[in-house]
Amino acid sequence: LAKTTQPISMDSYEGQEVNITCSHNNIATNDYITWYQQFPSQGPRFIIQGYKTKVTNEVASLFIPADRKSSTLSLPRVSLSDTAVYYCLVGGYTGRRALTFGSGTRLQVQP
Amino acid sequence: GAGVSQSPRYKVAKRGQDVALRCDPISGHVSLFWYQQALGQGPEFLTYFQNEAQLDKSGLPSDRFFAERPEGSVSTLKIQRTQQEDSAVYLCASSSSREGDTEAFFGQGTRLTVV
Repeated sequence: LAKTTQPISMDSYEGQEVNITCSHNNIATNDYITWYQQFPSQGPRFIIQGYKTKVTNEVASLFIPADRKSSTLSLPRVSLSDTAVYYCLVGGYTGRRALTFGSGTRLQVQP
Repeated sequence: GAGVSQSPRYKVAKRGQDVALRCDPISGHVSLFWYQQALGQGPEFLTYFQNEAQLDKSGLPSDRFFAERPEGSVSTLKIQRTQQEDSAVYLCASSSSREGDTEAFFGQGTRLTVV
């Protein structure tokens, strides 16, 4: 399974863009990169998924360089409600169907 | 229902007691996962079902943990002779895919406290 490394915590202010980078040096050819968000006392919630280049949805953008050994989740103009833990996951067609969570990045957004 | 439902939301068990945690996945979802999340940690995989077949149970921490999904929908995670180290939030997730390439929907979890 590809191991992921991401910062333990980040701080930001309302209205700023936040970029969280995740390293996954031994990502497999068929692995997807998925990001989840988790609020206290709730289950994780899917944010975005990509395989290569750039993916954008109404919530975030995901940037994946050509070598796919890292990825960056970009949250535009964060608000207080974006305070949460963000998990980077790598997996998919690797024979192990469950996604493996790391420790995540705790994002604290200040007013 | 519209999402994954787990019950109970909270469970307090005396050490040595058996517990059963229920998961109602989204209707029609093929894949079902159980995770264990300790305080301040990320979710840890326990087991995976594809329909009624338990295809991966490598994450179950001991033979006291048992999961089933007999009809390919509702799943139950059973913990026998609970220990204090079993205290955690148990999360259930379901997905329409057989692979990890689509969104998994999580329930709110069951918080188990063993006293």
